[in-house]
Amino acid sequence: GAVVSQHPSRVICKSGTSVKIECRSLDFQATTMFWYRQFPKKSLMLMATSNEGSKATYEQGVEKDKFLINHASLTLSTLTVTSAHPEDSSFYICSANSDGRGANEKLFFGSGTQLSVL
Amino acid sequence: SQQGEEDPQALSIQEGENATMNCSYKTSINNLQWYRQNSGRGLVHLILIRSNEREKHSGRLRVTLDTSKKSSSLLITASRAADTASYFCATRGSTLGRLYFGRGTQLTVWP
Repeated sequence: GAVVSQHPSRVICKSGTSVKIECRSLDFQATTMFWYRQFPKKSLMLMATSNEGSKATYEQGVEKDKFLINHASLTLSTLTVTSAHPEDSSFYICSANSDGRGANEKLFFGSGTQLSVL
Repeated sequence: SQQGEEDPQALSIQEGENATMNCSYKTSINNLQWYRQNSGRGLVHLILIRSNEREKHSGRLRVTLDTSKKSSSLLITASRAADTASYFCATRGSTLGRLYFGRGTQLTVWP
């Protein structure tokens, strides 16, 4: 199957700092990637759809200025949590279709990033 | 909400037993997918069933879909300790790839 690599796996930062999370498709090109957030024992919440070469599409209620998404190449999308606060602490996961056109509907997920803001 | 909702929230069984998890959803769907997540890890796709299908098998997995009841079930037969994980159903939004997940069923299989 297609491989999605996410880095870092865990990050601890001070309140007010910014944190960047990278999501790479290793063996395929992904014109679209998706960012999810997961709270303990809760469902995954879709945050935004990252589109290569264009602006991300954010879900209702997600602050675009808080969660900056950049999809500069067909294999890399980044999520930057700006001015992080303790309430931003969560598990963030990226995913992508292996078929850049989206014809293959199953998603391949990164291993996730556990963010802890002190 | 387009999210699926799994039932039960937690399931604990012995190795060799079958595990059944259910998923209900609210809107019409194109397909429904089941994913597995080990603790602190990303999700792994298990199986996809399309709206015009009623049942699908993959190894020890059996998925059913009842679009009239807006529900699906995932059956894992002859469970193993390695099956211990959270299982999520996901429905697709209007855009390919935009999946909406439920809260999952935490399955624990005791050796």
